[in-house]
Amino acid sequence: GNSVTQMEGPVTLSEEAFLTINCTYTATGYPSLFWYVQYPGEGLQLLLKATKADDKGSNKGFEATYRKETTSFHLEKGSVQVSDSAVYFCALMSYNTDKLIFGTGTRLQVFP
Amino acid sequence: SQTIHQWPATLVQPVGSPLSLECTVEGTSNPNLYWYRQAAGRGLQLLFYSVGIGQISSEVPQNLSASRPQDRQFILSSKKLLLSDSGFYLCAWKGGGADQPQHFGDGTRLSIL
Repeated sequence: GNSVTQMEGPVTLSEEAFLTINCTYTATGYPSLFWYVQYPGEGLQLLLKATKADDKGSNKGFEATYRKETTSFHLEKGSVQVSDSAVYFCALMSYNTDKLIFGTGTRLQVFP
Repeated sequence: SQTIHQWPATLVQPVGSPLSLECTVEGTSNPNLYWYRQAAGRGLQLLFYSVGIGQISSEVPQNLSASRPQDRQFILSSKKLLLSDSGFYLCAWKGGGADQPQHFGDGTRLSIL
């Protein structure tokens, strides 16, 4: 079946450090891929998405590239801020279903 | 623009009491609607989804039920809450199109005593 695997957290960084959160997936066909962010006590917000191979999603300085050859969708940011501290979820949606499959989430903690 | 509302934001209920959580969407028609539960420190579990009025699919057997009495209203219910029902409940909607994302509400934090 379809699944998403994320690196375990927490990821602890100093402000202005480079961020990578790894995400790999298993799916039949060509899924759409998403990153969501959850700030403390809040719901999930869509951060970025990519719908086909080699697409790059970007938003608020975050980027992720849909790599079909490695079945990956790693999240990156060149310089993190304290306000980026949150839980990040990678997710996929198969081409034939409207249901999201989530990874377990990765907590990011950024210190000044 | 589209918005999604969930209420209440927090709820404390005794074991064995009933539950009703409500979710409404504005600014779109015939959305897909979803209920998720997030246990403390864990990922999201899809509980129910609906593609139209009165159409509910259950993903896991449990103590909860869902209803969709109107196009943009989705209700999560229980007749008798269990301790294991504690968690953070999230409602989401999705528009048409295979690659459209789901959009989430702010959630309801449910504590069972």
